[in-house]
Amino acid sequence: DGGITQSPKYLFRKEGQNVTLSCEQNLNHDAMYWYRQDPGQGLRLIYYSQIVNDFQKGDIAEGYSVSREKKESFPLTVTSAQKNPTAFYLCATRTGANTGELFFGEGSRLTVL
Amino acid sequence: DAKTTQPPSMDCAEGRAANLPCNHSTISGNEYVYWYRQIHSQGPQYIIHGLKNNETNEMASLIITEDRKSSTLILPHATLRDTAVYYCIVRVSGQGGKLIFGQGTELSVKP
Repeated sequence: DGGITQSPKYLFRKEGQNVTLSCEQNLNHDAMYWYRQDPGQGLRLIYYSQIVNDFQKGDIAEGYSVSREKKESFPLTVTSAQKNPTAFYLCATRTGANTGELFFGEGSRLTVL
Repeated sequence: DAKTTQPPSMDCAEGRAANLPCNHSTISGNEYVYWYRQIHSQGPQYIIHGLKNNETNEMASLIITEDRKSSTLILPHATLRDTAVYYCIVRVSGQGGKLIFGQGTELSVKP
């Protein structure tokens, strides 16, 4: 099936540990995005990438890192520098067209113990 | 960046039309208005988008005012499954497709 796969769906980590969230897509979309959502809040943009080997910071990039070595993959690393990492993380893709809509994965819920 | 303002919550009776407003007074001429919805703990789902003209698809209708400073998403016959948070967003031009979500409107469809 075509779509966006985020893994793991649920993740627990101890304070001080880095963790990497996976986002894979087979939609052949050029652009990929990472958003963070806190309980009862809207989505906030962490990082986005328009093409392979290029990415830009969103509004809340501090404490996060990404890579875009392949078109299909856009992993997000939550580092120990992120002060409040517990959140729901959503990956999205979009075609290269100017009016392309966003397609979202099912999300990864990270809990820091 | 163009920003949007939506009421935090709305109720609608099942079977009636749900009209969700959005203000985007700083929108520029080449920016599109997009609507998404999010059911609890799932990824948001695209509904519809438009530039100037009204748009309709199988899910909803989008009415954009002539001055483009506001828009309304219409769900013509709301069902209980339409209960969700609805986001109105404006595509930021010149920044490679960066899409900023606001707080959204929590729509509760009641029997």
